This record gives sequence, C-alpha cells and structure tokens, in this order.
Amino acid sequence: AQSVTQPDIHITVSEGASLELRCNYSYGATPYLFWYVQSPGQGLQLLLKYFSGDTLVQGIKGFEAEFKRSQSSFNLRKPSVHWSDAAEYFCAVGALTNAGKSTFGDGTTLTVKP
Amino acid sequence: KAGVTQTPRYLIKTRGQQVTLSCSPISGHRSVSWYQQTPGQGLQFLFEYFSETQRNKGNFPGRFSGRQFSNSRSEMNVSTLELGDSALYLCASSAGREDEQYFGPGTRLTVT
Repeated sequence: AQSVTQPDIHITVSEGASLELRCNYSYGATPYLFWYVQSPGQGLQLLLKYFSGDTLVQGIKGFEAEFKRSQSSFNLRKPSVHWSDAAEYFCAVGALTNAGKSTFGDGTTLTVKP
Repeated sequence: KAGVTQTPRYLIKTRGQQVTLSCSPISGHRSVSWYQQTPGQGLQFLFEYFSETQRNKGNFPGRFSGRQFSNSRSEMNVSTLELGDSALYLCASSAGREDEQYFGPGTRLTVT
C-alpha cells in the first residue's frame, strides 16, 4: 500500500528565509509525486509534480522539489519565503497509471514571521 | 478555462438526513475524484469516476456513494448522516489516468 509521511506538523520561518518541507513516501513501483498548497477554507492548488525524468522539479510560486529515490523522499524547497506563502502544504503520491487515486500526507502548516 | 466547481459551498444537515454534493470538472476532463478532509483524519480518498464508471473506491461505508454523468459532472451522496461526516468534501478532476488532479474549492458539510 502507498503511504506518505510529512514529519513536520508545523514549521515557522522568517520572511526572506529559506524553506524546506519534508516528505517521505512508500510505494512499490514508480510513483507520481505531488505537492499541493491549501489556504484556509480553500481547495488544494498544485505546486508541482514529478512523473519521471529530471529529479529536480520546478513549480509555481518559486517552489522546487527534489526526488530522491534512494531516500524515498520528495522535499519541497523555496529559497526565500514570502508572507503570502503561509498555508498548509500537502505531499501526495499517486500510482503511475492511476493518479486519480492519490494518497496524501497529513500536511505541514507553514507560519511566516515578519 | 474554468476550474473545478463544487456546489453548494456550505451545507448544514441534521443527523439521519441525506445529502447530495455536486462537482463540475474542468472542461474536457473525464476523471473525477472525491476526497474527505477532516482535522483528525486528514485527506482521505473516497472514490474516482472515469467515463461514468467507478474506477477506484476508498475505505468508506456504503452510505457514501457517487455517480458520474455523461458530461463528466459528478455527484456524491451521503445517506443517514452521522456527526462524524462533518468535513470538507473536495472534488478533483484530471484529463486522464496519468494526469495531475485539479481541485475545486470544496463543500463544507456540517452535521448537527
């Protein structure tokens, strides 16, 4: 069975500082990996995805993520955080041929200090 | 291109009642998935429909059901509502089996 672990429930960073959100997955085959962001009371917005190819993936809003198969990780990074980045972030894994059924991590809430 | 729309956005129901939620996918998308989001359980997959057929189902009781119409619009139904069904219900659409999902804003269901 596939699973996703986001070890950090809550992270606080100062505006302008760098950010890394951790994600570890468990999946028996080649995974599809996603990062989503959710603002309060809103749906999820896709930040980036990894299907295959280059293991460093660029997304929207200046985010990037690196797929490391040996560590079963797909960590999200941003070099300089903006106050508007405060939100909840979800990592998800989907089957190679079944992205419609994704398994999500429990999420990491990001607080940005001025 | 319009995004995924869900109606209604907010709903208050009483225990024992039933409810129907609606989802209109992005034009051209044939896959619609439903998720339940609660503070305690997080995001949990309910089911997925593709071309009017249920392709996947999560671990929810039979009170939760869904369907998809020929225009790809989907509805989910919850019968005999329980307090624990209070949640944000999210719908997501994708173009096909190997494509990423785009989420709607959700329907906030409160059961009293």
